[in-house]
Amino acid sequence: AQSVAQPEDQVNVAEGNPLTVKCTYSVSGNPYLFWYVQYPNRGLQFLLKYITGDNLVKGSYGFEAEFNKSQTSFHLKKPSALVSDSALYFCAVTLGGTGTYKYIFGTGTRLKVLA
Amino acid sequence: DARVTQTPRDKVTEMGQEVTMRCQPILGHNTVFWYRQTMMQGLELLAYFRNRAPLDDSGMPKDRFSAEMPDATLATLKIQPSEPRDSAVYFCASGPSGRGYNEQFFGPGTRLTVL
Repeated sequence: AQSVAQPEDQVNVAEGNPLTVKCTYSVSGNPYLFWYVQYPNRGLQFLLKYITGDNLVKGSYGFEAEFNKSQTSFHLKKPSALVSDSALYFCAVTLGGTGTYKYIFGTGTRLKVLA
Repeated sequence: DARVTQTPRDKVTEMGQEVTMRCQPILGHNTVFWYRQTMMQGLELLAYFRNRAPLDDSGMPKDRFSAEMPDATLATLKIQPSEPRDSAVYFCASGPSGRGYNEQFFGPGTRLTVL
């Protein structure tokens, strides 16, 4: 069965420091991996995705993520955190193909960037 | 700027009342998802549709919840009768095709409070 794990409920980082939000996955097959961000009282917003090709994918607001097949991870990173990056971050996975598919979301990681 | 719309944004009702939530997916999107978000359970998939046909509603309590797409521009989620444990934020999301590599576009959510 597909699953996604976000091992940290919360990550605190000082403004200007690099940030990492961790995600690991378990699927039987080649995954498609996603990161979404949720600001207070808003819906989830797509940040970036990995489909195939280059393991380092770049997304919105300066975020990037690295797909690591051997470690089954897809960690979200940003070189220099901003206070405005404080939000709830979700990792998600789905499988390819043209059949039915469901996103499997992680439990979310709350990022707090301290001024 | 195309976006998913949801109405109402907030709903307070009493136990036993019927609740109807509406979603207008992005024009041209043929996949629609309903999610429920609570602090305790996180983000749960309730149902999803492709080309207006329900593909999976296994996450939905069948005795009181129902989801439909009367036409391509409207998805509805009904709860009858509502219970206090249904209090949550309900999100609708749409996607451009039934492909696992496509990101989802989330609406702003309906915050439901059942007293």
